[in-house]
Amino acid sequence: AQSVSQHNHHVILSEAASLELGCNYSYGGTVNLFWYVQYPGQHLQLLLKYFSGDPLVKGIKGFEAEFIKSKFSFNLRKPSVQWSDTAEYFCAVSSAGNTGKLIFGQGTTLQVKP
Amino acid sequence: NAGVTQTPKFRVLKTGQSMTLLCAQDMNHEYMYWYRQDPGMGLRLIHYSVGEGTTAKGEVPDGYNVSRLKKQNFLLGLESAAPSQTSVYFCASSSSRGTNYGYTFGSGTRLTVV
Repeated sequence: AQSVSQHNHHVILSEAASLELGCNYSYGGTVNLFWYVQYPGQHLQLLLKYFSGDPLVKGIKGFEAEFIKSKFSFNLRKPSVQWSDTAEYFCAVSSAGNTGKLIFGQGTTLQVKP
Repeated sequence: NAGVTQTPKFRVLKTGQSMTLLCAQDMNHEYMYWYRQDPGMGLRLIHYSVGEGTTAKGEVPDGYNVSRLKKQNFLLGLESAAPSQTSVYFCASSSSRGTNYGYTFGSGTRLTVV
């Protein structure tokens, strides 16, 4: 069965610090990879996604992620975080099949101090 | 605005009561999903549907039933609510031609079972 693991459960950073959130998945076939963000009290919003092609994916709000197939990883990065990036971040994986089921990681809470 | 609408947004139930959560989407999406979100556990798939009249079990289906009588609606039922079902419930939809394109999420239903 597919699974997704996010290494960091709670990250605290100061503004302007760099961010990297780890995500590893277990699945042997072709996968689609996603990062979602959930701001306090809101629903999930798509940050970025990877289906194929360039393994370095750029998303909204200055976020990017790199797919490393050999490591089954899809880490999220941002060079300089802002206070407004305080949120919970979820990595998710779906197999390239016909049901589109998304399997989510446990989430990482990011707190950015002003 | 096009999207996914969930009703109700909040509900408090007594143990043993029943209720139905409604999810409606106006994007003509084939696929619809119900997730529950619990602290430290990310989002877990309860049930999903790949088209009108079809439903399937996800990771945590026990205690829930679903129906997809109309393409635009996906109902989640709790026949006899239990405190363990206290959670935030999210509905999502995606296009069959674009299951790779990510989901559109509703704003969630916060359910408390006392």
